[in-house]
Amino acid sequence: DVKVTQSSRYLVKRTGEKVFLECVQDMDHENMFWYRQDPGLGLRLIYFSYDVKMKEKGDIPEGYSVSREKKERFSLILESASTNQTSMYLCASSFLTRTDTQYFGPGTRLTVL
Amino acid sequence: AQTVTQSQPEMSVQEAETVTLSCTYDTSESDYYLFWYKQPPSRQMILVIRQEAYKQQNATENRFSVNFQKAAKSFSLKISDSQLGDAAMYFCAYRSAWGSNYKLTFGKGTLLTVNP
Repeated sequence: DVKVTQSSRYLVKRTGEKVFLECVQDMDHENMFWYRQDPGLGLRLIYFSYDVKMKEKGDIPEGYSVSREKKERFSLILESASTNQTSMYLCASSFLTRTDTQYFGPGTRLTVL
Repeated sequence: AQTVTQSQPEMSVQEAETVTLSCTYDTSESDYYLFWYKQPPSRQMILVIRQEAYKQQNATENRFSVNFQKAAKSFSLKISDSQLGDAAMYFCAYRSAWGSNYKLTFGKGTLLTVNP
């Protein structure tokens, strides 16, 4: 079975803190994604990566950065957390083929106070 | 840019009955993929069913089937013999078949309640 894990299920941070969200997949997937999920808005893509050290902006990259130093790990970084970044963050991964399904992690619910 | 619309924020169904969730999308492309994902409460999002746009035959997976109407840009999900475990948020999603952008564009979701 494909396994996508995220470092924390729940996280509480203060405004201005630097926040790291980690995602690890064990299926040798080339693609990895970070989404943000908000009620009434569905999922929106923040960033994705199709290879180590490669990244592309999604629909809402402002206030976020990412890092992919190893194929299995994709990190989302909030340089200076703000209250409007309180949300559920979902990581996903897939093979590079265009037909492939994305597999999702359990999510991290981040609260910024 | 592609958009995906789920017009039913909430739906409910009696156990053992059939329910249909609606999804429409807007695209100028001719080749693409459509997905239904299920997100149970506090649990991981999983793929329910996938449809390739170039295939005329509607996809089915056990009790789940789709009604894909390409000309109408409609992609509804039918759940037959509903079970309590089907209660979840359901998301419709679109992905282009071209280019290097593998992103999914999601609808806002439909919350399905299954009544015993």
